[in-house]
Parts: sequence; structure tokens; C-alpha cells
Amino acid sequence: NAGVTQTPKFQVLKTGQSMTLQCAQDMNHEYMSWYRQDPGMGLRLIHYSVGAGITDQGEVPNGYNVSRSTTEDFPLRLLSAAPSQTSVYFCASSYYVGGEAFFGQGTRLTVV
Amino acid sequence: TQLLEQSPQFLSIQEGENLTVYCNSSSVFSSLQWYRQEPGEGPVLLVTVVTGGEVKKLKRLTFQFGDARKDSSLHITAAQPGDTGLYLCAGSTLSTNAGKSTFGDGTTLTVKP
Repeated sequence: NAGVTQTPKFQVLKTGQSMTLQCAQDMNHEYMSWYRQDPGMGLRLIHYSVGAGITDQGEVPNGYNVSRSTTEDFPLRLLSAAPSQTSVYFCASSYYVGGEAFFGQGTRLTVV
Repeated sequence: TQLLEQSPQFLSIQEGENLTVYCNSSSVFSSLQWYRQEPGEGPVLLVTVVTGGEVKKLKRLTFQFGDARKDSSLHITAAQPGDTGLYLCAGSTLSTNAGKSTFGDGTTLTVKP
């Protein structure tokens, strides 16, 4: 089972560049979410989706966009990268909101 | 926003020692989960507790949910180097925050051989 697949695993961007982090799950989960993980700050919720066509903001949404056109895919877009967005990004899915979360392996992003 | 405080933040022990890490909040949770994260990987679920006072065991790991469902602990007996990692707790409440999970900042455990 693939579970949750994130690409790329590593990325370096220049300030101002845009990019999309990909996330796909094959478990037919309705709930998907994006987190960023910074040293000493745990996992902070960026955006989430409770099903195809439905997205909402988490704790730290500024500078990020999401869409959910299918149940399987939940891409995260950085509109204009800033050094403050240097972080490790995790995508997760679960059967329901607040349920067991299955995480991808993460994308380590550096903005220079 | 529900806050989950984990303690200690860092813990370094010798193989064979016992340890306990804590997850505390002023909020009442419908359920609470513990995850372990290894370097370069995403968190992996260890256990979910849902009933106040509940105790669950997973080999050498014992998880307890507080009677008031505001706190939880993880006790590891005879720690091994393979237990090394970041331990995260996450709580959710159906009545607030739309049921979304809130994560603590984690306890980084190092078990030396």
C-alpha cells in the first residue's frame, strides 16, 4: 500500500518563486490536511479539506493556497516563497476529522 | 485554540531505564492520540485513547488518559535505542475547532546503548 505520497522530498526555492507540493493518498480518505513542522513548534495546520471541493484554513494559512478537485489529491501551492516558509511540510489523511492521521514522508523546503 | 503542552521537551537516557512523558491541556478532549516520528519520516500513530482513565499497553509502552480527559502520559519500560524519536500527542474535540486535531510540540527521546 502506498498510503500518502508526497513529492518532492527536497526543494530549494529562491525568494519570490512559486511552487506546488504534491500530495496523493490511495485510502479513499475524505479528510486531508497540510502541516508545517519547525524546530520546537510541533505541527501547525496550514489548510485542510473535508472532501473534494471543500477546503478551509488552518492556523497558519497565509502565503499558501490549496485545492481539492479529487478525493485522492490535495496539492499545496506557495504563491511567492519567503525565507519564513523554510520548513518541513507534511501532508496527512484520515477517515474523519480528528481520526488517526496517516502522514506522508514530508517535503523539506528551503527558501533562500 | 486548544493548547497541548508536552514535557519534558528533551529526554536522554540509557538503555534499560524507564521513562514517562506527559501531555497536558486545560481543554477536555474527545480523543487523544500518540505518535512517534523518526528522523526524515512522518509521524506514525501509536495509540488512540478515548475514555477517561483508559490505559492501553503496546508492548513496553503504556498510555494513560486522564480521568478528566485533559491529560495523558506515555510510560516506556526498559527503553531501547529503537525507542529513540520524537513523541507527539494530538487531541481533538468534536465540540470545538471543528474536531480537528491539535498537536503538542513533542518530546524528543534519545536512548543511548
